[in-house]
Amino acid sequence: NAGVMQNPRHLVRRRGQEARLRCSPMKGHSHVYWYRQLPEEGLKFMVYLQKENIIDESGMPKERFSAEFPKEGPSILRIQQVVRGDSAAYFCASSPVAGGLTDTQYFGPGTRLTVL
Amino acid sequence: GIQVEQSPPDLILQEGANSTLRCNFSDSVNNLQWFHQNPWGQLINLFYIPSGTKQNGRLSATTVATERYSLLYISSSQTTDSGVYFCAVDYGGATNKLIFGTGTLLAVQP
Repeated sequence: NAGVMQNPRHLVRRRGQEARLRCSPMKGHSHVYWYRQLPEEGLKFMVYLQKENIIDESGMPKERFSAEFPKEGPSILRIQQVVRGDSAAYFCASSPVAGGLTDTQYFGPGTRLTVL
Repeated sequence: GIQVEQSPPDLILQEGANSTLRCNFSDSVNNLQWFHQNPWGQLINLFYIPSGTKQNGRLSATTVATERYSLLYISSSQTTDSGVYFCAVDYGGATNKLIFGTGTLLAVQP
């Protein structure tokens, strides 16, 4: 059973460009979380999605950031008009349908975004 | 919001030594996980441990939920144990999002 997959692993963008980060959850998992780790800091929650629904986006910046988890295909975190402060590692995690109970989150390898 | 504090912030060990890392949290939690972030940045699940004690090889963890802390024990440390250790808690609600601690940076020297 493959783990959580993220691509690309490294992404370089110039200021003003768009960044698209992809996350494929573990097989059978329908809950996806995105976290951001700024340099020298811990991970911070950004957004929680289930298939076709954003459940909690309280950690996501109000502008330039968006996320989706379509019925088919990976979850996408999109950052428009990137700025240097967006440089960070972006981690995706997934968990199985757990009937409303909490469960272990499994993390992908992360995408390291560098904005020049 | 809930506060998650880890201690010590950094630790240097000689290979073969034992260590205890601590995670304190300020409110009741539904879930607590320990992670190891290796020097290449990968985040590795160590334990899912909202309460009780678990062991996996040289690592073990204990969470005392009523007293709001968790401990991670590393025995006979190896250089491959180096990296940052995070605890993360989910305090409930509808979203199960994890709140991460500040981490303990561990360096194991040969």
